[in-house]
Amino acid sequence: GNSVTQMEGPVTLSEEAFLTINCTYTATGYPSLFWYVQYPGEGLQLLLKATKADDKGSNKGFEATYRKETTSFHLEKGSVQVSDSAVYFCALRPGGSYIPTFGRGTSLIVHP
Amino acid sequence: DAGITQSPRYKITETGRQVTLMCHQTWSHSYMFWYRQDLGHGLRLIYYSAAADITDKGEVPDGYVVSRSKTENFPLTLESATRSQTSVYFCASSGTSSRRETDTQYFGPGTRLTVL
Repeated sequence: GNSVTQMEGPVTLSEEAFLTINCTYTATGYPSLFWYVQYPGEGLQLLLKATKADDKGSNKGFEATYRKETTSFHLEKGSVQVSDSAVYFCALRPGGSYIPTFGRGTSLIVHP
Repeated sequence: DAGITQSPRYKITETGRQVTLMCHQTWSHSYMFWYRQDLGHGLRLIYYSAAADITDKGEVPDGYVVSRSKTENFPLTLESATRSQTSVYFCASSGTSSRRETDTQYFGPGTRLTVL
């Protein structure tokens, strides 16, 4: 079956630190990959996505590259801000299906 | 630009009562979903729907009922609420495209349900 594994949180960083949140997946075929972000008290919203191998998704300074050889889609940001504090979800949507699979989420806490 | 809305945002009820959570989207998306979010479990899919009058069970459907008589609405009913159904419930929708690369999910703001 399909699955997404994310690093356990919380991840605690100081402002301007480098961020990596690891995500690996198992899926048949060629899934689309997503990162969603959930700010406190809100629903999830799309942060970035990639639809084929070697694609790089980017938004708001965050980046992730679709690595088929390592089945990974790690999220990175060069310099985090306090406003980036949120829960980040990695997800996949299998080819031919409209039902996504989500990871369990990784909480990010950024201190001033 | 209403997008996707949920009501109520907060609900407190008692064990055994019937509760209905509403979800409405203005994009005419074909697909709609209900999730619950609990600490330690992440998001779990309760029910989903591919179109009006087409619904199917997700990972945790027991104790819940859905209907979809209109494309834009997807209510979730707890027939007899239990304390284990205390959770935050999210509705989501996605587009009709058959192209695998475009189906982003759009989430509502959530309903926080407490069952006493």
